[in-house]
Amino acid sequence: EAEVAQSPRYKITEKSQAVAFWCDPISGHATLYWYRQILGQGPELLVQFQDESVVDDSQLPKDRFSAERLKGVDSTLKIQPAELGDSAMYLCASSSQPGSPYEQYFGPGTRLTVT
Amino acid sequence: AQTVTQSQPEMSVQEAETVTLSCTYDTSESDYYLFWYKQPPSRQMILVIRQEAYKQQNATENRFSVNFQKAAKSFSLKISDSQLGDAAMYFCAYRSDSSGYSTLTFGKGTMLLVSP
Repeated sequence: EAEVAQSPRYKITEKSQAVAFWCDPISGHATLYWYRQILGQGPELLVQFQDESVVDDSQLPKDRFSAERLKGVDSTLKIQPAELGDSAMYLCASSSQPGSPYEQYFGPGTRLTVT
Repeated sequence: AQTVTQSQPEMSVQEAETVTLSCTYDTSESDYYLFWYKQPPSRQMILVIRQEAYKQQNATENRFSVNFQKAAKSFSLKISDSQLGDAAMYFCAYRSDSSGYSTLTFGKGTMLLVSP
């Protein structure tokens, strides 16, 4: 069964350093999502792509976060510089199309710890 | 903005018994979807069950069923014949159907503990 792949699974970094996460969605899925999940809370959307275009990045802290999906397939989320408050699980999800009827499939996440 | 509230941080159930997880939401929209997601420890989140707001009939998926009360804005999940593998964090989520790019809004989750 096809799955969303993410790497690394765990990342420890010092504050002020740069960090990057990678996501490979299910093949053929046009819509890709990055979520941040702080411990004890539900995921919150950071950015949504439709193919290679950003369609929602209203909750992305653009002074330090950036995301790209250059060829409309895999995606990278970057944080520079990392802050202590960025410690969280970063989840990637994909769906065949945008919109409510289409199920979002989640990857295993990247657990980020900023020291 | 829509909000989703899960008032039970943790619930416990014994194997083979039934448990109900609560969820309420706030919205001014009439067309939307509601979801329950399961997040096992160190594993990816998976969709358990989905309910379209325009459907009066409650959704069921094997041992999982929902009680959808649109007027009360309530959406509870019932797990029957609980199994050890049901132990996980459960998230209730809302998604508007008014836009093709609407996002999922999650509650804070309920940790379900299952004992033998």
